[in-house]
Amino acid sequence: DAGVTQSPTHLIKTRGQQVTLRCSPISGHKSVSWYQQVLGQGPQFIFQYYEKEERGRGNFPDRFSARQFPNYSSELNVNALLLGDSALYLCASSLSVSFSGDTEAFFGQGTRLTVV
Amino acid sequence: AQSVSQHNHHVILSEAASLELGCNYSYGGTVNLFWYVQYPGQHLQLLLKYFSGDPLVKGIKGFEAEFIKSKFSFNLRKPSVQWSDTAEYFCAVKRNQGGKLIFGQGTELSVKP
Repeated sequence: DAGVTQSPTHLIKTRGQQVTLRCSPISGHKSVSWYQQVLGQGPQFIFQYYEKEERGRGNFPDRFSARQFPNYSSELNVNALLLGDSALYLCASSLSVSFSGDTEAFFGQGTRLTVV
Repeated sequence: AQSVSQHNHHVILSEAASLELGCNYSYGGTVNLFWYVQYPGQHLQLLLKYFSGDPLVKGIKGFEAEFIKSKFSFNLRKPSVQWSDTAEYFCAVKRNQGGKLIFGQGTELSVKP
């Protein structure tokens, strides 16, 4: 079975540009979450979606937005890119959002975004 | 502030040495606890998890962790490390239904052959 897949793997953008990152969850998983991992730090939560609805939002500016499609894939959009947005963006999928064992999160390889 | 703290930023061990990585969190109430590992060039993988029951949890590759509720701790242990355990290790906490994972800053483990 395919794991969580993210595209592209690497991306270089200029300050002020917009970027769209994509994520396909594991088959059967209905929840997708996005995390930002800056070098030397742990991943920080950005968004969680379940059944196409936003279920959680981290402390990120409105330049960050996301959506989930009927096939449970997801996109993360970042507008007006800043140098500080350079990071590894991780997508994680899980079966559901209940507080139990079936909420284990499986991570993709990530998209390395560099803003110059 | 509510947080997850990992005690060591970088740990260097020789093969066969014992490992203990500390993790403390500052949330009250019921939590789910996780240890993830990130091998060089690979994605985050789950090592082990605690949801309820026996506070001593066994994971993959000989790792285990003990949840001590009174100390708000979830330390990771391995009796004898191998060179292949070289990786970055992240402790994470989830506080409620559908909740986000809150990660510690990570501990880089280097094992010398």
